[in-house]
Amino acid sequence: DARVTQTPRHKVTEMGQEVTMRCQPILGHNTVFWYRQTMMQGLELLAYFRNRAPLDDSGMPKDRFSAEMPDATLATLKIQPSEPRDSAVYFCASGLGLAGSTDTQYFGPGTRLTVL
Amino acid sequence: AQSVTQLDSHVSVSEGTPVLLRCNYSSSYSPSLFWYVQHPNKGLQLLLKYTSAATLVKGINGFEAEFKKSETSFHLTKPSAHMSDAAEYFCVVSGLSGGYQKVTFGTGTKLQVIP
Repeated sequence: DARVTQTPRHKVTEMGQEVTMRCQPILGHNTVFWYRQTMMQGLELLAYFRNRAPLDDSGMPKDRFSAEMPDATLATLKIQPSEPRDSAVYFCASGLGLAGSTDTQYFGPGTRLTVL
Repeated sequence: AQSVTQLDSHVSVSEGTPVLLRCNYSSSYSPSLFWYVQHPNKGLQLLLKYTSAATLVKGINGFEAEFKKSETSFHLTKPSAHMSDAAEYFCVVSGLSGGYQKVTFGTGTKLQVIP
């Protein structure tokens, strides 16, 4: 049963520290999405990759957030420096994006980030 | 441009009674529509999706949704609620714009099932 995996599942850190979250998409999937979920804002799309290239990162604060795909099996979301308002659950999702189609997304379990 | 509105933030039903979770959307192109479910402290799981085939879509766990273009709606229903259906449900609209996918999530509807 193929699944998206995310590490760590929980992270507590202090303000100003760097945080790196990792996602392993389902093998063979070529699209990766990063979302942030908070009580106040709900689910927000942060970034979207297809074939490892960033297609849309307009939802991501550029000054402190960065998202990359070093290879097809790993996506990373980094926050530097972290702030208390970044506390949220961060979800990664992957899909099999075909040209001209919209993807079904398969979600990972999330990383719960707490910034003190 | 696209948007999605989930009309109820909370819905409460008794076990064994029907479930109706409402979703309206707007889109300037032919969208795909999805319903996802999120159980507490879990990720999101796909319930069903509409991609311009049959307007009545059947999903997992007895859920189904009907795409009504004239009403721009995609309401989620289930004939008989089960305790395990208690979760948060998200309606999602997705479409291609400028060559890549735009995804918009609704704000979610929390379903409470009363024994």
